[in-house]
Amino acid sequence: GQNIDQPTEMTATEGAIVQINCTYQTSGFNGLFWYQQHAGEAPTFLSYNVLDGLEEKGRFSSFLSRSKGYSYLLLKELQMKDSASYLCAVKPGYSTLTFGKGTMLLVSP
Amino acid sequence: SAVISQKPSRDICQRGTSLTIQCQVDSQVTMMFWYRQQPGQSLTLIATANQGSEATYESGFVIDKFPISRPNLTFSTLTVSNMSPEDSSIYLCSVDPPGTLFNYGYTFGSGTRLTVV
Repeated sequence: GQNIDQPTEMTATEGAIVQINCTYQTSGFNGLFWYQQHAGEAPTFLSYNVLDGLEEKGRFSSFLSRSKGYSYLLLKELQMKDSASYLCAVKPGYSTLTFGKGTMLLVSP
Repeated sequence: SAVISQKPSRDICQRGTSLTIQCQVDSQVTMMFWYRQQPGQSLTLIATANQGSEATYESGFVIDKFPISRPNLTFSTLTVSNMSPEDSSIYLCSVDPPGTLFNYGYTFGSGTRLTVV
């Protein structure tokens, strides 16, 4: 079976750095994806990791350790517009994405 | 990456009726996927739709309740049949990244917000 865990909620202050963790146990692994979803909108792709290490994209970075079944999404210089749900998703083998329950991030002034 | 037009964007339906949701993609794609997102929850895969064959349903979802059509490589429909209030959710379609270049991510339609009364 597939199991993906991430915290339900996190809060942070504008301008700060926040790290959202994701652990997974899946039958097969062909990459880990992070998505951002604002309320009432479709998920938007943020990052993809398939090899161990850090991928950096502007203010967002994502890290993967396959041996530990662990990833995190790092958001720097937080802005109010970063308040959203962040979804960790794994592609197990040849099937499509399996999503975690999402982490609701609230950024306060 | 592909652009997906999904409609309707929202609907309020009477229980016992059916609603068909359409997704049109601006390029040919091999696989299309249908997800459900219940209020406050994450995305759950309903089925995978391949052109020219029957859709593959995930555990807990059946063809009689969620019939899917995939007449060509750019279009698919999902029907929610004999609706009950428990079917109130957001329904989203998604497609593979181009050429399986996963660093482009899977693209999602804008979603259909369904309320059953």
